Amino acid sequence: DTGVSQDPRHKITKRGQNVTFRCDPISEHNRLYWYRQTLGQGPEFLTYFQNEAQLEKSRLLSDRFSAERPKGSFSTLEIQRTEQGDSAMYLCASSPPVGGREGYTFGSGTRLTVV
Amino acid sequence: TQLLEQSPQFLSIQEGENLTVYCNSSSVFSSLQWYRQEPGEGPVLLVTVVTGGEVKKLKRLTFQFGDARKDSSLHITAAQPGDTGLYLCAGENTGNQFYFGTGTSLTVIP
Repeated sequence: DTGVSQDPRHKITKRGQNVTFRCDPISEHNRLYWYRQTLGQGPEFLTYFQNEAQLEKSRLLSDRFSAERPKGSFSTLEIQRTEQGDSAMYLCASSPPVGGREGYTFGSGTRLTVV
Repeated sequence: TQLLEQSPQFLSIQEGENLTVYCNSSSVFSSLQWYRQEPGEGPVLLVTVVTGGEVKKLKRLTFQFGDARKDSSLHITAAQPGDTGLYLCAGENTGNQFYFGTGTSLTVIP
């Protein structure tokens, strides 16, 4: 297992376009998290899945954002009608069934730039 | 969302100096973690502390969890340029989720 993979690493898009990011967690981890991080700040929680169920969504996740984890494996995060304020690093993390106590394993992130 | 404040926000020191980073909240946490993040990468876990008053050492890094489990500190002895990075604390809430602090950006100058 090579850890948590995120694709793409970088995405530049024009304002108003839709973008989709993918996250492949560690295979034995049933919990998957999406965070957003702006430069020099800590990651902000967006949403969390346990298996295929989306258990919590932050108020930061406006109706332009949607996340799925259809088979409890990989997850996608889609942003519709992107705005310049969406520019950030989008981080995915996974953790084992006992939760994050053993630590989240983060991917390298997808850096989104909206121009 | 429990707010975790870290101080200082930025820290620039010479190689060989000691430093302490603080993580404070008004909320009680089940556990607290420290991560280090390098530019363009995701955070990497350094340590998890669970018990109030707990102290853990990782080579030149010493982590302490406050007695009331509301705060924590990270002390680095004899800092090296390889310690440069963004240090993040993250507190566990009752839902077994972690919320991250505001971050401390450390630069160690050779």
